[in-house]
Amino acid sequence: DGGITQSPKYLFRKEGQNVTLSCEQNLNHDAMYWYRQDPGQGLRLIYYSQIVNDFQKGDIAEGYSVSREKKESFPLTVTSAQKNPTAFYLCASSIPGNYGYTFGSGTRLTVV
Amino acid sequence: GESVGLHLPTLSVQEGDNSIINCAYSNSASDYFIWYKQESGKGPQFIIDIRSNMDKRQGQRVTVLLNKTVKHLSLQIAATQPGDSAVYFCAESPGANNLFFGTGTRLTVIP
Repeated sequence: DGGITQSPKYLFRKEGQNVTLSCEQNLNHDAMYWYRQDPGQGLRLIYYSQIVNDFQKGDIAEGYSVSREKKESFPLTVTSAQKNPTAFYLCASSIPGNYGYTFGSGTRLTVV
Repeated sequence: GESVGLHLPTLSVQEGDNSIINCAYSNSASDYFIWYKQESGKGPQFIIDIRSNMDKRQGQRVTVLLNKTVKHLSLQIAATQPGDSAVYFCAESPGANNLFFGTGTRLTVIP
């Protein structure tokens, strides 16, 4: 079955550590996105990529980094510069001309 | 109804009743709108969409209404069931693969 897979489901980070969240899709979608969701709030865009080897900052990119070396993969690194990283992170993908996004099941990151 | 920047609105309905969730969108250039359902601890799931050349679209037990004059979108769920309890997001798109999400409305179905 085609879909978008995020891993791990739960992730714990110590202060000062970088962690990487995985997002893989087999939908042959060109565009991929990372969103952050805080409790009781909507989705805020971190980074997006419309095509391989290209990505753009979203509204809250500070403290995060991404890469897009393959069409299927769009990993997100939460760096130590992100002072409040505890949140639910969602990855999504879409094809050009189709405005709907397909979402993964999310990764819950907690700072310990 | 939901709007960007507000705390999560809530709606409680009795099982079997109809639910109406409202959304005010901001960009008059938006030409595509989607409703998503998000259950606790999961990613949002597509429910129904509508383009700006329509004012109503029906799915299975769901109907989306679009009023472009007042920039208002609503989701109607018929015969609401306990499995419908979730957070519902509207999203608008002015094009170019950009979706802008509302804050969401939490629907609670009372058995």
